[in-house]
Order: sequence, then structure tokens, then C-alpha cells
Amino acid sequence: VIWMTQSPSLLSASTGDRVTISCRMSQGISSYLAWYQQKPGKAPELLIYAASTLQSGVPSRFSGSGSGTDFTLTISCLQSEDFATYYCQQYYSFPFTFGPGTKVDIK
Amino acid sequence: EVQLVESGGGLVQPGGSLRLSCAASGFTFSSYWMSWVRQAPGKGLEWVANIKQDGSEKYYVDSVKGRFTISRDNAKNSLYLQMNSLRAEDTAVYYCARAEYSGYDPFDYWGQGTLVTVSS
Repeated sequence: VIWMTQSPSLLSASTGDRVTISCRMSQGISSYLAWYQQKPGKAPELLIYAASTLQSGVPSRFSGSGSGTDFTLTISCLQSEDFATYYCQQYYSFPFTFGPGTKVDIK
Repeated sequence: EVQLVESGGGLVQPGGSLRLSCAASGFTFSSYWMSWVRQAPGKGLEWVANIKQDGSEKYYVDSVKGRFTISRDNAKNSLYLQMNSLRAEDTAVYYCARAEYSGYDPFDYWGQGTLVTVSS
């Protein structure tokens, strides 16, 4: 099983801030990593896949980087609609696993 | 427009069974791997199971192996999750998700979820 950690678990930020969320794997996964955004009471939405490819329709202020064991999600200029919980997910091997999540809330 | 609509959730006693369904529309269902992902109340996401386009390959998280069965009916554009020997720790919102063309893809579309509560 590939274990994942995310940091921070809670991030307090203001509109316009640049924020960075990290995701670390217990073993290398090449670039088989996705990032999801989830708002309360809603299903997750795919933001980024293959570590750095933006899903269609996702604003360009979202970006992803990394490979192997260390990955990063960056929001370049936080908007009000970005306050949510973010999860990373590896799809390199079964069982697929998700990180524990990072909640981005208003400072 | 891609749509995934889950149904079949509800309250069930420990040891009981439940069958979840997911009705798919807006895409060629038989061309995609499909998945179930769950989320316990106030907790994170947990992948549960994947099934190949023709149903010939299935994968499960260890905690549900031998108790849950994923299946599909391509003629009805439907995905299913048969859940037996349910435990309190299976209480969660269960999401149906599309997993694109290969078994190793992210989930690009999700349903709205159906709540399963296991309690006496």
C-alpha cells in the first residue's frame, strides 16, 4: 500500500494569496498523481492529473508539480471560490489511495 | 453532459446487506473503467473498488474484500456495488466515479453520492 501525507492539514489564507500544498508518497509513483477540490456537501472535482496537467475547465491559477515521491499544488492568486478541501490521490498502483486532505479556509 | 446518479443508500443494521446503483449518461459507458469511492462523515476520501470496461478485472481495497462486489451492466449503463456483512465502519457517502480508459487513471467525473448508514 502506498501511504500519503499532505501538509499542511489546515491552511488559513486571504483572497489574493499564493498558497502551496504538499503531498508526499511512501514510495515513488512517477507522475501518477491527481489533485481534487471538494466543497462541503459536494462531490470532489478533478483539478490536476499526471501531476501537472490541468483538467479541462479548471482555472489557470491552479498548477501542479513534482514526480516520484514529492508533489505540490499551487494556487497562484486565491479566489473566494477556492476555499475548500484539497486531496491528492495516487493512481500508480492498487489500492489507489488519497491523502488526508488540506482544508483551505479564510484567514 | 456526463451524469452519474447514485441510488440505493439508506439505514441498515450491522451484518446486513445493501446494493448501490449508479446510472450513467452522457458518455459511452462501456468504454470506461468505473469506480466506487467513499467518504465517512467528516473524514477523507477512500477508494473502494474499480471495474474494467467489460467487467473482466475488478480491484478492491482490503477492508471490503470478500464482503463487497462491484459489477456493471453495460446494456443498462449502470454500475453496482453489492455490500454484504456491513459494519459500522462502512458508514459513508458512496460516490460513483468515472476512471477513463485504463485502469490507471484519475476520476474525472463523480456522482453526487448516496449515504449508507450502518447502525442498530
